[in-house]
Amino acid sequence: EIVLTQSPGTLSLSPGERATLSCRASQNIDNNYLAWYQQKPGQAPRVLFYGPSSRATGIPDRFSGSGSGTDFTVTISRLEPEDFAVYYCQQYGSSPWTFGQGTKVEIK
Amino acid sequence: EVQLVESGGGLVQPGGSLRLSCAASGFTFSCCWMSWVRQAPGKGLEWVANIKQDGSETYYVDSVKGRFTISRDNAKNALYLQMNSLRAEDTAVYYCARWNYAFDSWGQGTLVTVSS
Repeated sequence: EIVLTQSPGTLSLSPGERATLSCRASQNIDNNYLAWYQQKPGQAPRVLFYGPSSRATGIPDRFSGSGSGTDFTVTISRLEPEDFAVYYCQQYGSSPWTFGQGTKVEIK
Repeated sequence: EVQLVESGGGLVQPGGSLRLSCAASGFTFSCCWMSWVRQAPGKGLEWVANIKQDGSETYYVDSVKGRFTISRDNAKNALYLQMNSLRAEDTAVYYCARWNYAFDSWGQGTLVTVSS
């Protein structure tokens, strides 16, 4: 099973600041099959990226995704109030599909 | 607009059974792999099961193998999760999700609580 470790656990930032979220895999992810999701309290997750840099429909371009192999990153260039949420990475390169434990981006 | 609406959650005793349903609309249901993903209270996401477009292939996380069964009825645009031998650790919100190179559409979730 591929274990995904996200860091940091919590990111305390102010609106307008840059956020960098990391996801590290315990082994290479086949074909870089990694996705990112955003979840706000009381809501279902929504997809941000698949593949791991293809932005999903409706995701603003202040979000960018990158990485390959075992190391993946999401960057939010300038945080907007609606970006404060929990972010999860998920690999689908091998079974069982697994999620990281999440990074909470909170208002400082 | 894609809509996924789960139902069937509730309180069940350990060892009991429950069947979750997911009603799909706004897309061609038979096109897509479908999945169940769960989230224990205050915890992260966990993939539970997948089913191929025609139902011919299914996959499960180890912790539910032999206890849960995913199925679908393309004529009714419906996805199901039969859950048997439920344990306290199965307590979670269960989401129905469409798979399209990512979980690109999600339902609102249904809460399953396993407790005596």
